Amino acid sequence: QQQVKQSPQSLIVQKGGIPIINCAYENTAFDYFPWYQQFPGKGPALLIAIRPDVSEKKEGRFTISFNKSAKQFSLHIMDSQPGDSATYFCAASGEGSSNTGKLIFGQGTTLQVKP
Amino acid sequence: KAGVTQTPRYLIKTRGQQVTLSCSPISGHRSVSWYQQTPGQGLQFLFEYFSETQRNKGNFPGRFSGRQFSNSRSEMNVSTLELGDSALYLCASSSTGIQTQYFGPGTRLLVL
Repeated sequence: QQQVKQSPQSLIVQKGGIPIINCAYENTAFDYFPWYQQFPGKGPALLIAIRPDVSEKKEGRFTISFNKSAKQFSLHIMDSQPGDSATYFCAASGEGSSNTGKLIFGQGTTLQVKP
Repeated sequence: KAGVTQTPRYLIKTRGQQVTLSCSPISGHRSVSWYQQTPGQGLQFLFEYFSETQRNKGNFPGRFSGRQFSNSRSEMNVSTLELGDSALYLCASSSTGIQTQYFGPGTRLLVL
């Protein structure tokens, strides 16, 4: 119930394409869903986050789509660039003493954007 | 504001030794969480400290421990190191009542 399942494991797109990364969760107590971007040798950097009361959120070229009934959410990267080549992680957490400060991460997606 | 800092950045130890890693959170952040990142298991939650108290703990053996100081700086300790403890150890800080976590660059630990 604590798992977050992420797919695909890896993704290759051409510059300008729209890679889509999907995540699914089981625990309905989760109420916060962030996406992180990680470059080799660096820590994860927060990209964008969403809560279940919103179906879509955009920040720059990054969009999260959220389907509460299906317990799924996805990241879309518009007009992808070679500089977006990185590993992307979805995560989830919930409020309450048992979830404080605890992010449950998906397995990660390695994205390569070809010039 | 300065970001989350972690020291040291790289560490090589041998089996059976112990190690202490340090994390300084973003100024004003009182919550510090620790994660282990490996190619096989991904990012896994170790524990979280708030106001010098452990608030939450992941599924790791007792060899993994931590503490937090009054200035919110945190340390984690791994005793009796095993080869499988080789990993990137990340800490993240967050502001009180806010779920958003900001990560440091990590400490790369290699156990030989």
